[in-house]
Amino acid sequence: GAGVSQSPSNKVTEKGKDVELRCDPISGHTALYWYRQSLGQGLEFLIYFQGNSAPDKSGLPSDRFSAERTGGSVSTLTIQRTQQEDSAVYLCASSLGPSGSIAGELFFGEGSRLTVL
Amino acid sequence: AQKITQTQPGMFVQEKEAVTLDCTYDTSDPSYGLFWYKQPSSGEMIFLIYQGSYDQQNATEGRYSLNFQKARKSANLVISASQLGDSAMYFCAMRPLRSTLGRLYFGRGTQLTVWP
Repeated sequence: GAGVSQSPSNKVTEKGKDVELRCDPISGHTALYWYRQSLGQGLEFLIYFQGNSAPDKSGLPSDRFSAERTGGSVSTLTIQRTQQEDSAVYLCASSLGPSGSIAGELFFGEGSRLTVL
Repeated sequence: AQKITQTQPGMFVQEKEAVTLDCTYDTSDPSYGLFWYKQPSSGEMIFLIYQGSYDQQNATEGRYSLNFQKARKSANLVISASQLGDSAMYFCAMRPLRSTLGRLYFGRGTQLTVWP
């Protein structure tokens, strides 16, 4: 498709289980971001990938969170041993590189809503 | 450090009126970009408008305009002729412009309600 695709759109899991969230960015976009949005809150930065550079992991809240981006395209966010406070909408976004016409507008997916019981 | 402040948790405006959503930012970077996004109740994030720190003119996109006051570090969004469909959460964001993109820093958002 033309936009950023995320799956699953909804995920309900039990506390302590691992979950994987997938993001398929817009073709040709070299930058990929993960943000988290808790109910009624703003966007919390998690991690950023840019091309072949080392990712900026400074927003990951704990070592239970990890993300990878394979082949410079699809990304997977993994949350191990989920906790109830991990419940949120996880938003993925992609962007052209610095040569983009307006310095990197982010295009967002529709998010993956995670509920940890 | 970068910081975005949106002081209005909620705003109300009557249909067809104009409304201003406030945003101030703090950065030590000399060059940066400012963004506004709209998030309707359906949850998707929709890009509205962009302003570069060195742009001489205030950005405009249809009914949206950005009132950029660099000395005051403010980047207020003005929506003219409000429509019922403008009811949504609005986020201000900023990114330093460097050789790599880096993260976008978001404010906490303003919930706009347009009433008939």
